[in-house]
Amino acid sequence: EVQLVESGGGLVKPGVSLRLSCAASGFTFSNAWMGWVRQAPGKGLEWVGRIGPKSDGGTPDYVAPVKGRFTISRDDSEATLFLQMDSLKIDDTAVYYCATTGGGQWGQGTLVTVSS
Amino acid sequence: DVVLTQSPLSLPVTLGQPASISCRSSQSLVSSDGNTYLNWFHLRPGQSPRRLIYTVSNRDSGVPDRFSGSGSGTDFTLRISRVEAEDVGVYYCMQATHWPSTFGQGTKVEIK
Repeated sequence: EVQLVESGGGLVKPGVSLRLSCAASGFTFSNAWMGWVRQAPGKGLEWVGRIGPKSDGGTPDYVAPVKGRFTISRDDSEATLFLQMDSLKIDDTAVYYCATTGGGQWGQGTLVTVSS
Repeated sequence: DVVLTQSPLSLPVTLGQPASISCRSSQSLVSSDGNTYLNWFHLRPGQSPRRLIYTVSNRDSGVPDRFSGSGSGTDFTLRISRVEAEDVGVYYCMQATHWPSTFGQGTKVEIK
């Protein structure tokens, strides 16, 4: 059974950093295109970024609102995806989901609240 | 970025009746590999999104056959042949042909 389990969310103040993790199981993680999607309160779904397998270069891509502040990485030995979020803003408040880039598999989501 | 425009944004439906959601793209979603990466998702409050349809018309495993997807190029449709109570929630189309992948605004389906 495929499982994606996020962790690391919480309540933080603007300007600080937070690191999310996503533990994968039930599929060959090292071959998978993975990404992070977020949903702000009362809003729709938004891709944050993606990362391909090392065999495809493994270079992450980001959307404009997070470029330069967020970093996606992966540890294939631990089958884990990471989202390092720096210089957090109030507008980054959202549920963050780990997902395969085609959307076939999703984690349960972790809530990040940025508030002073 | 590719803009996906869904309509309607709100869809009151009668149980047992059909329903249809449109998704129009600001540019063609045909990829250089010939595939069209247009997917449909269902989101219920407190749950993760569930993919229903991938590459326009392929149903995911376990998705009831009352759900179907169609379309090409820039114009796509999700149809529910007979709405059931469990179908309430918000439906999103998503394109993965061009980065960044983008979602439509969402269509809220509720029972009349």
